[in-house]
Amino acid sequence: EIVLTQSPGTLSLSPGERATLSCRASQSVSNYLLAWYQQKPGQAPRLLIYGASSRATGIPDRFSGSGSGTDFTLTISRLEPEDFAVYYCQQSGTSSLSFGGGTTVEIK
Amino acid sequence: QVLLQQSGPGLVKPSQTLSLTCAISGDSVSSNGVAWDWIRHSPSGGLEWLGRTYYRSKWYNDYAVSVKSRITINPDTSKNQFSLHLKSVTPEDTAVYYCARRRSGVGLAFDIWGQGTKVTVSS
Repeated sequence: EIVLTQSPGTLSLSPGERATLSCRASQSVSNYLLAWYQQKPGQAPRLLIYGASSRATGIPDRFSGSGSGTDFTLTISRLEPEDFAVYYCQQSGTSSLSFGGGTTVEIK
Repeated sequence: QVLLQQSGPGLVKPSQTLSLTCAISGDSVSSNGVAWDWIRHSPSGGLEWLGRTYYRSKWYNDYAVSVKSRITINPDTSKNQFSLHLKSVTPEDTAVYYCARRRSGVGLAFDIWGQGTKVTVSS
C-alpha cells in the first residue's frame, strides 16, 4: 500500500499570503491518479485538483497543483478567508487507494 | 446534476452490523467509467477508504485490507443505489461515513460526495 505523508501538519498564515502544501508518497504515483481535496468542518471533502495539476470544475485559479513521482505540491497563491480548511492528498492504486493525513491551514 | 443521498442509523451497538445506503440521482450505479465508494472520517482525523463497487460488463468489488474480513458493498440496480455493510463493529468504527463517486474522467478522483452520516458505536 502506498503511504502518503503530508507536511506541514498545520500551516498558520494570514489572508493574502501564499500557502504551499506538500504530499510525499512512499513509492512512485502516476500523476494521473493524484488528487487534492479541501474539507471544512461539518462538510464532505471537495475535489480541488485531479491528475496532479488539473483544477476541478468551479475551482478558482488561485489553487494549483504540481509535482510528479513521489513529490506533489498544492499551492494557494493568495489565501482568501474561505480557504482556511483542511487539505488532503489522495492516490488511486490498481485495487486500493490512500489519503494523506491532512494539512490544516489556519488563520494566523 | 449528480447527487448522493445517504441514509442509515446513527447509532450501532458493538458486535452488530453497521448498514448504510447511498441513493444516486443524475447517474446510474451501472455506469461505465465510474466506481461507487465508501470512505470514513474517524475522530482521530484521518480519511480512510473502505471499498468500492463498479460495473464493467459484470460487478466488481475492492475492499481495504483493514476491513476486508468484515465489509460488503452491494449495488442495487432496481433502486439505483449502493449499500455498505460492516459487521462486528467496535467503538473504533465510530466515524462519519461518506459515499462518493470516483470517475475516470477526473483521474479516478472523488468528484461527488454524499452528505455524510455520523455513526457512533456504543451500547
